[in-house]
Amino acid sequence: DTAVSQTPKYLVTQMGNDKSIKCEQNLGHDTMYWYKQDSKKFLKIMFSYNNKELIINETVPNRFSPKSPDKAHLNLHINSLELGDSAVYFCASSQDSPTGEQFFGPGTRLTVL
Amino acid sequence: DAKTTQPNSMESNEEEPVHLPCNHSTISGTDYIHWYRQLPSQGPEYVIHGLTSNVNNRMASLAIAEDRKSSTLILHRATLRDAAVYYCILRSNSGGYQKVTFGTGTKLQVIP
Repeated sequence: DTAVSQTPKYLVTQMGNDKSIKCEQNLGHDTMYWYKQDSKKFLKIMFSYNNKELIINETVPNRFSPKSPDKAHLNLHINSLELGDSAVYFCASSQDSPTGEQFFGPGTRLTVL
Repeated sequence: DAKTTQPNSMESNEEEPVHLPCNHSTISGTDYIHWYRQLPSQGPEYVIHGLTSNVNNRMASLAIAEDRKSSTLILHRATLRDAAVYYCILRSNSGGYQKVTFGTGTKLQVIP
């Protein structure tokens, strides 16, 4: 069974469109994250949710809106997509602890044309 | 946020030990040191973590300097499957929530 899953794996879309990426974890974790990995391979945290509550928002444009319907899901909705949004987006989850191992999903490669 | 500094790349021969360094001179007392690795076209995966003492697990060992301003991930016998980007990360519990800052990562090349 996949621990952290993301859909879709690839997403190609035009500038200005709105798209969503879904993430689900079946590990019973309290905390979920979204990361962005750009073309230079820098991995940056975007958001963190703990028990459906937003706890970290790392100065991400408000075109990005995470939504957590329950503890097992953290979806990422992006409005008015821009070229610079092209990247690989990773979802992750962990227990709410500084020692908690983060489990990452396989990533979603977003290409904005 | 406390930051980490790692060499951009390193090479190792297969079956040889590898020592991957990480500097974190601004580490705070509540920061845990975590290491993750990312294989090509995959998400990062956890390797090991520690606070003050050296740690061992089935994947690697983590040696932490006495002043905690640096650490070294040790792969005892590098295999081709260990070729990946290794990230040194500090995880803090400051402010009542976790902040995670990834380093630049070290790309490890394993030579057969």
